[in-house]
Amino acid sequence: GNSVTQMEGPVTLSEEAFLTINCTYTATGYPSLFWYVQYPGEGLQLLLKATKADDKGSNKGFEATYRKETTSFHLEKGSVQVSDSAVYFCALGKAAGNKLTFGGGTRVLVKP
Amino acid sequence: NAGVTQTPKFQVLKTGQSMTLQCAQDMNHEYMSWYRQDPGMGLRLIHYSVGAGITDQGEVPNGYNVSRSTTEDFPLRLLSAAPSQTSVYFCASSYSSPDYRTEAFFGQGTRLTVV
Repeated sequence: GNSVTQMEGPVTLSEEAFLTINCTYTATGYPSLFWYVQYPGEGLQLLLKATKADDKGSNKGFEATYRKETTSFHLEKGSVQVSDSAVYFCALGKAAGNKLTFGGGTRVLVKP
Repeated sequence: NAGVTQTPKFQVLKTGQSMTLQCAQDMNHEYMSWYRQDPGMGLRLIHYSVGAGITDQGEVPNGYNVSRSTTEDFPLRLLSAAPSQTSVYFCASSYSSPDYRTEAFFGQGTRLTVV
């Protein structure tokens, strides 16, 4: 079956530091890959997505590249802000109904 | 611009009670889903629907029922609440596409505690 593994947190950073959150997946065929972000007390919001191999998704300074050869979709941001403090979820989508399989989530805390 | 609306936001139930979590979307999306979020486990799919009148089970369906009589609404029913159902519940919707590569839009969540 499908599965997503992402690094456990919490990750604590200083403002303007570089952020990487690792995500690897197991799936048959060619899933779509997503990063969702959950700010405190809120629902999930789509951060970025990639739908085929070598696609790069980007948004709000975050980037992730769909690497089929390593089955990975690592999230990066060059200079984080306090407002980036949130829980980040890697997910894959496949098949009818757009069912999503999520990783366990990574909590990121950015300190001023 | 409501998007996906869930009610209630918080609920406390006693073991054995029943209740319905409401979910409505105003984006005319065909697909709707229910997930539960537990610490360290991400979100897990409970039930999903690909259109009005069509539902199917996800990864953790036991103890939950759903129905989809309209495109807009997708209620989740707990028939006899158990402490193991203490969780945060999210409803999501998405539009269909030929290659199933569309993102999901999530509600704000319902925090349920079963005592």
